[in-house]
Amino acid sequence: AQSVTQLDSHVSVSEGTPVLLRCNYSSSYSPSLFWYVQHPNKGLQLLLKYTSAATLVKGINGFEAEFKKSETSFHLTKPSAHMSDAAEYFCVVSGRDTDKLIFGTGTRLQVFP
Amino acid sequence: KAGVTQTPRYLIKTRGQQVTLSCSPISGHRSVSWYQQTPGQGLQFLFEYFSETQRNKGNFPGRFSGRQFSNSRSEMNVSTLELGDSALYLCASGEAGYGYTFGSGTRLTVV
Repeated sequence: AQSVTQLDSHVSVSEGTPVLLRCNYSSSYSPSLFWYVQHPNKGLQLLLKYTSAATLVKGINGFEAEFKKSETSFHLTKPSAHMSDAAEYFCVVSGRDTDKLIFGTGTRLQVFP
Repeated sequence: KAGVTQTPRYLIKTRGQQVTLSCSPISGHRSVSWYQQTPGQGLQFLFEYFSETQRNKGNFPGRFSGRQFSNSRSEMNVSTLELGDSALYLCASGEAGYGYTFGSGTRLTVV
């Protein structure tokens, strides 16, 4: 069975500093992995996806993530945080031969001016 | 093209009633999946439909049911509502290779 673990429930950064949101996955096969963002009272927006192509994946709004099979990690990074990045972020894995998504518990990102 | 459309956006129901939520996927998408989001349990998988067939079902009681129509639109039904069913219900369409698009959700409040 697949699962994802988000290692931090809350992350606080200052505007203009780097962002690191950590995610480890467990899967018996090569997984498809995603990061989604949810702003307050909004739906989920896809930031980026990994589907066994390039291991460094670039997404929207300057975010990127690196798939590291040896570490079973898929951490999300951004070089410089912006106030508008404050939101909840979810690491997600999809099932094999299905479109069932398994969500991590989420990381709330706070950005201070 | 149009995104995933969920209706209604908000619902208030009384305990014991039933409710039906609707999800229209992106045109051409045959897969629709449903999720329940609550502060305590996070995002949990409810069901997944592909070409009118339920492929997977999450760990929810039989009061939760769903279906998919030939035009890929999907509905989920919750009967005998309980206070604990209050949640944001989200649906998604797509596939792993292209990513999944979520609707804005239906916020259900049971009083």
